Amino acid sequence: EAQVTQNPRYLITVTGKKLTVTCSQNMNHEYMSWYRQDPGLGLRQIYYSMNVEVTDKGDVPEGYKVSRKEKRNFPLILESPSPNQTSLYFCASSFQGEFYEQYFGPGTRLTVT
Amino acid sequence: AQKITQTQPGMFVQEKEAVTLDCTYDTSDQSYGLFWYKQPSSGEMIFLIYQGSYDEQNATEGRYSLNFQKARKSANLVISASQLGDSAMYFCAMREETGNQFYFGTGTSLTVIP
Repeated sequence: EAQVTQNPRYLITVTGKKLTVTCSQNMNHEYMSWYRQDPGLGLRQIYYSMNVEVTDKGDVPEGYKVSRKEKRNFPLILESPSPNQTSLYFCASSFQGEFYEQYFGPGTRLTVT
Repeated sequence: AQKITQTQPGMFVQEKEAVTLDCTYDTSDQSYGLFWYKQPSSGEMIFLIYQGSYDEQNATEGRYSLNFQKARKSANLVISASQLGDSAMYFCAMREETGNQFYFGTGTSLTVIP
């Protein structure tokens, strides 16, 4: 089954404790992306990757890191989480190009206390 | 400037009626794609419909159609014969030829009333 998987689905952590949210897709997509969703703000792109070892900042990259060492995986790293990073996070993937829709993972609800 | 604007935070529609959700976009690219996604209360993002900038006909997918007015830079979603299961958040999005970002609007919460 074609899908984007994210882990964990729910995470409660404390300020400053490094964490990684994993994302994997099995559709051979070149493009992968991370979003955060906050009430009233819609989805905002954090980072995206056009292919292996090619990443770029989205609209809200501060406080986040990413890496793309393999085509199927695109982990999101929060080196020192803060309460303002409490949010719902989505990973998504697609083929490269403006005519392709993105496929989304199920989301990760992160709470930083 | 906002790339995608959705001006209706919340909408109500009677079951079996049609409803239009508004979306305007801002781009200077000639080639771009416009997308609508549905997010039910369970949280997943479901792709509904796509319109390419060069498409001359409005896109349709079952009960969903996209009213594409290029000169006005609008891409409104029309849901016909609303069902209770249509109650959800709806997001308009755009992807441009140049750059590699995917832009979302702030969403419209649709409630279908029995």
